[in-house]
Amino acid sequence: DADVTQTPRNRITKTGKRIMLECSQTKGHDRMYWYRQDPGLGLQLIYYSFDVKDINKGEISDGYSVSRQAQAKFSLSLESAIPNQTALYFCATSDPGTGVSTDTQYFGPGTRLTVL
Amino acid sequence: AQSVTQLGSHVSVSEGALVLLRCNYSSSVPPYLFWYVQYPNQGLQLLLKYTSAATLVKGINGFEAEFKKSETSFHLTKPSAHMSDAAEYFCAVSLGSGNTGKLIFGQGTTLQVKP
Repeated sequence: DADVTQTPRNRITKTGKRIMLECSQTKGHDRMYWYRQDPGLGLQLIYYSFDVKDINKGEISDGYSVSRQAQAKFSLSLESAIPNQTALYFCATSDPGTGVSTDTQYFGPGTRLTVL
Repeated sequence: AQSVTQLGSHVSVSEGALVLLRCNYSSSVPPYLFWYVQYPNQGLQLLLKYTSAATLVKGINGFEAEFKKSETSFHLTKPSAHMSDAAEYFCAVSLGSGNTGKLIFGQGTTLQVKP
């Protein structure tokens, strides 16, 4: 079974709709991240969370919100979707421990979102 | 501020040829550096990571990268390309030491391998 899962894998929606993307992990990591990927731009950080009570904005948080329901779950919401939010969205986790595991992020398979 | 630049958004090589993907970074503190690979319709997988130990880092699938502080570079190489290496490759930098866990990614390089 995958360590980091995302649902849905694909979603088509209309402008103005509210959308939630979900991420679950079984790695036991405290840190979780949401990124969006656009062609030619790499990955940009939307939000990140170091634990259930610690949520932080990333580079491109406008138009997005998040919820950390538990250590294992981190959801991304688009309150009112717009076409330029069409992108591939990735969830990732990491372990803040020491040694070689530090800062290594583990990614989910991604959610392809299309806003018409 | 940290940043990463990947030179060349597309690289094409013949099967069996040397693969060289270029990455330059900017960081005010000693960085941790990463290469990730993304196969079609999949998430990112860690290829290798530099954490201030050996400057030549060996990763999975025969890839390696060398940290050169004087050139602020962390180029990815593989002596002989295989068709299965076709993918998108991302270089990333972090502050390291688990301070923030945040990664700054380059824009990615798509590797095409021709038969």
